[in-house]
Amino acid sequence: EAGVAQSPRYKIIEKRQSVAFWCNPISGHATLYWYQQILGQGPKLLIQFQNNGVVDDSQLPKDRFSAERLKGVDSTLKIQPAKLEDSAVYLCASSPVTGEETQYFGPGTRLLVL
Amino acid sequence: AQSVTQLDSHVSVSEGTPVLLRCNYSSSYSPSLFWYVQHPNKGLQLLLKYTSAATLVKGINGFEAEFKKSETSFHLTKPSAHMSDAAEYFCVVFQGGGRRALTFGSGTRLQVQP
Repeated sequence: EAGVAQSPRYKIIEKRQSVAFWCNPISGHATLYWYQQILGQGPKLLIQFQNNGVVDDSQLPKDRFSAERLKGVDSTLKIQPAKLEDSAVYLCASSPVTGEETQYFGPGTRLLVL
Repeated sequence: AQSVTQLDSHVSVSEGTPVLLRCNYSSSYSPSLFWYVQHPNKGLQLLLKYTSAATLVKGINGFEAEFKKSETSFHLTKPSAHMSDAAEYFCVVFQGGGRRALTFGSGTRLQVQP
């Protein structure tokens, strides 16, 4: 079965610009997660979707970050405007159902903000 | 809230020697624990998981981990290191309740010397 797909793999932007990341989860997986991994740290959850509804976005900096999963399948994460400290790898993960603990991760998008 | 502490940020071993990556957890009840591995420029891959069945958990690529409640530990071991084991390893706890999210440790970078 195909894994979690993410694009782009790399992105370089200047501060105050906007950027968007795309994720397509494993087919049939109801739950989708976005994580931020800053260099030298473990991933930190930004937002969790169950189908097209938000389960948890308590760690999402809502003044600049937004995410959507309109049809309950693929998802986009947007940063507007970007700051230097947003430089990180953005990981998308999915799991079959809510309550299923095992998550399957995509390769990530590496963002550099100059 | 549940958390994990990885006791070593870097571990270096020689090829063919045993690997020990240490992890302590903090939880008010029996947790679900995982080890994930991250190779450079690749996504996170599940090595193994503990979900209150057998305390000794066997994973992929010859890795195993033992859940010790009395010591609140979940150390990862492998009898003989291979060059391909060089990567970043994350100990992870599943946070139940309403949030149902993974909380990652800070990671241990494993170097394998020839």
